[in-house]
Amino acid sequence: GIQVEQSPPDLILQEGANSTLRCNFSDSVNNLQWFHQNPWGQLINLFYIPSGTKQNGRLSATTVATERYSLLYISSSQTTDSGVYFCAVARSNDYKLSFGAGTTVTVRA
Amino acid sequence: EAGVAQSPRYKIIEKRQSVAFWCNPISGHATLYWYQQILGQGPKLLIQFQNNGVVDDSQLPKDRFSAERLKGVDSTLKIQPAKLEDSAVYLCASSSTGSAKNIQYFGAGTRLSVL
Repeated sequence: GIQVEQSPPDLILQEGANSTLRCNFSDSVNNLQWFHQNPWGQLINLFYIPSGTKQNGRLSATTVATERYSLLYISSSQTTDSGVYFCAVARSNDYKLSFGAGTTVTVRA
Repeated sequence: EAGVAQSPRYKIIEKRQSVAFWCNPISGHATLYWYQQILGQGPKLLIQFQNNGVVDDSQLPKDRFSAERLKGVDSTLKIQPAKLEDSAVYLCASSSTGSAKNIQYFGAGTRLSVL
């Protein structure tokens, strides 16, 4: 199956700091989603971004499909940004989302 | 718009017992997924339904796991008998189409502990 690698595995930030999370994938995809899993386990959709750049408030994401990676940017981090961030992808001829292992973000006040 | 509903939120059982989880997808979503998330890992797909038919259950341990989606709306996932390694969060997701471009929306999950 398609391999998804996320880095770094863990990230500790001071409130107000900026950060970049990376997702590398091993095959062509036409579905890429970023999720935030909050401390209660809920997976929240952040972006559907198989290519291009999107922004939503303090979060933005860029996917370079030809080079098989995506980046999630968090600016001016807040304690509520803490949690695990997952990247998930699906191939062009498939429907299954394959998830990375996630990046655990801890934002300290 | 209501999200994906799951129940119960938590379940503790002993090994060899049986357990069932329920999921109600977003209204109008034809495709429903069950994922298993073991602590420290990303979710892994167990089964996908398109309306009331199974599209893919290749990762479902069929000797102990079963799932159904009667009438193409609600779904139940059952484990019988449970093993210690089944301790995980079981997530239900839905999407409006079954194509690879679909956006999947997740429920809050059911956290299962097998003792």
